[in-house]
Amino acid sequence: GQQLNQSPQSMFIQEGEDVSMNCTSSSIFNTWLWYKQDPGEGPVLLIALYKAGELTSNGRLTAQFGITRKDSFLNISASIPSDVGIYFCAGQLGAGKSTFGDGTTLTVKP
Amino acid sequence: SQTIHQWPATLVQPVGSPLSLECTVEGTSNPNLYWYRQAAGRGLQLLFYSVGIGQISSEVPQNLSASRPQDRQFILSSKKLLLSDSGFYLCAWSMTLGHQPQHFGDGTRLSIL
Repeated sequence: GQQLNQSPQSMFIQEGEDVSMNCTSSSIFNTWLWYKQDPGEGPVLLIALYKAGELTSNGRLTAQFGITRKDSFLNISASIPSDVGIYFCAGQLGAGKSTFGDGTTLTVKP
Repeated sequence: SQTIHQWPATLVQPVGSPLSLECTVEGTSNPNLYWYRQAAGRGLQLLFYSVGIGQISSEVPQNLSASRPQDRQFILSSKKLLLSDSGFYLCAWSMTLGHQPQHFGDGTRLSIL
């Protein structure tokens, strides 16, 4: 089946720094999704990307759908302590079902 | 607005006991419904998905089953739990048309002793 490689696995940054994480796949996707998961809770959708090359922002978050349709990145600018959590990318080929990366665990030091 | 409810939040069960986890969605009709399992420190593995009442697709062979007795109700079951069934179980829904993202419940932490 399809697999996503998400990197880095974990990040330790100072408050105020910018963050960048990405996902790559050996096969194409039609939709890329980025989620954030807080401990003990379900993932919450941050950004959805539907077209190759699309660049979308949500506050301090920016994500792009790679032009080859095999990758996507998420940037967080000026990180704050509440950005702590696990960030997941997910790709969809057919309608509905998503393939998830293994997540990037973000720690922000005040 | 749409909401999704999962219960219980945590569950401790002995090996060999049965399981029933429930998930309901409000505020939408005919959603796609999903059960995922998340191992510690890992991503989400799709277990089952459903596009309508009584329609269940299984993604991985396992000790679990799913049922959808009503449009907005999705149940995850097992007749006899194994130690390897421990994990964090997440229910999700999505709209049916086009490429729609899943929206997740708060999950059930299942520990098998």
